[in-house]
Parts: sequence; C-alpha cells; structure tokens
Amino acid sequence: RKEVEQDPGPFNVPEGATVAFNCTYSNSASQSFFWYRQDCRKEPKLLMSVYSSGNEDGRFTAQLNRASQYISLLIRDSKLSDSATYLCVVNLVGSARQLTFGSGTQLTVLP
Amino acid sequence: NAGVTQTPKFQVLKTGQSMTLQCAQDMNHEYMSWYRQDPGMGLRLIHYSVGAGITDQGEVPNGYNVSRSTTEDFPLRLLSAAPSQTSVYFCASTLEYGDREAFFGQGTRLTVV
Repeated sequence: RKEVEQDPGPFNVPEGATVAFNCTYSNSASQSFFWYRQDCRKEPKLLMSVYSSGNEDGRFTAQLNRASQYISLLIRDSKLSDSATYLCVVNLVGSARQLTFGSGTQLTVLP
Repeated sequence: NAGVTQTPKFQVLKTGQSMTLQCAQDMNHEYMSWYRQDPGMGLRLIHYSVGAGITDQGEVPNGYNVSRSTTEDFPLRLLSAAPSQTSVYFCASTLEYGDREAFFGQGTRLTVV
C-alpha cells in the first residue's frame, strides 16, 4: 500500500465548477499535511498547508480528518489557470524522509 | 534571490556514462534533498542532507551519490547511468528539517539510452 494515495484523475471540469480532491495516508503518526501544485513540466510549489480545523485560502479549502487519515482539497469557481496536477504531501515528524508525496491528481479546467 | 538553481535542464546519456546534476540555493537553507519523479509514482526521495557535511539515503539511493561540502551546493552524481534512471530529477531545499515549505529547482529531464 502506498503511504499517500490519491485518485490520479484526470478530472476535466468546466470553468466555474466546484471540484474536490481526496487523499489518504497510511501512517497515523503523520503530523503535517500539505497540498502542492505542479504545472505541466514544472517544479512543485506549495499551494497550502492543511490544518485539523480546516483552512481556506480564497477559492481553495483544505480539510483534514485525522481519525480517517484523510485529506481533501476543494476548489470553487474553477478557473482555466487552475489546470495543473495537485500533489498531496505528508510530513512524518521524526522521519528522515521529511516529505512523502502522493502521485498527484490531474485537473483540467475547460472553457 | 535566485532560489534553487538546478542544472542542466535536459540531458541525454548513454548507458554506463556518469554525470553530475548541480543544485545550488541562495536562501541559506539547512535541508536539501534530491527527488526523482516518474509517471504514476510521485516524487521519491533519493538522498538528503540536513547540513554541510551530512548526507543520508532516502527511498531510492542506489546508483546515486551525493556530497554537501557547503550549505549552498548539493550535487547529485550518477555513477554509471542505466535506462532505469531515465526520469525527471528535482532538487529541493527547506529552511530547516521539518519546515513545511520545500522550494524546488526547475528540474532536470534525464534520458539514458
């Protein structure tokens, strides 16, 4: 079983749609959680951190459910510029590996 | 600040050749790492360093060497290239171990024929 699992997609949605991505992690000792964005053939960049209380940044909302070991990302009012691959990332405190990446979910927003 | 600078951007090697991927950061970050990204696999950690003079293996270290003689530089050496090492390589740095935001270089697309 992969340590961080994501639905690879692709998700093809029309502009203005709401889309949700899910991610599960296997290690219950994981402490920090993030969503990174990776544009085609580019490097990953931090989109937002994920907190137990949930957090929102404009059109983006991230949720964490520690009991179910589940992370989500909701994008409202999708824009063409949201087209990218979204990577779920987990940090296991005390692990030398630091960040463990999911394989990513590909999103295409259609005009 | 340039951030994380990674060279070259593209490289084609023949099986058995060796080469060094360069990575430099100007943010005075302690922690640097190398990942490879393959289709459907996500980013996998090759080697990492928690500071100058200290390196350790990640998830997929075989066939690669690293050194960290300065805080700024963290080169990755392929000892004898194999087709299985065809991949996209990313160097990353974070301010300190456990810091939440990793800054990545632009990547190196390596093909081994």
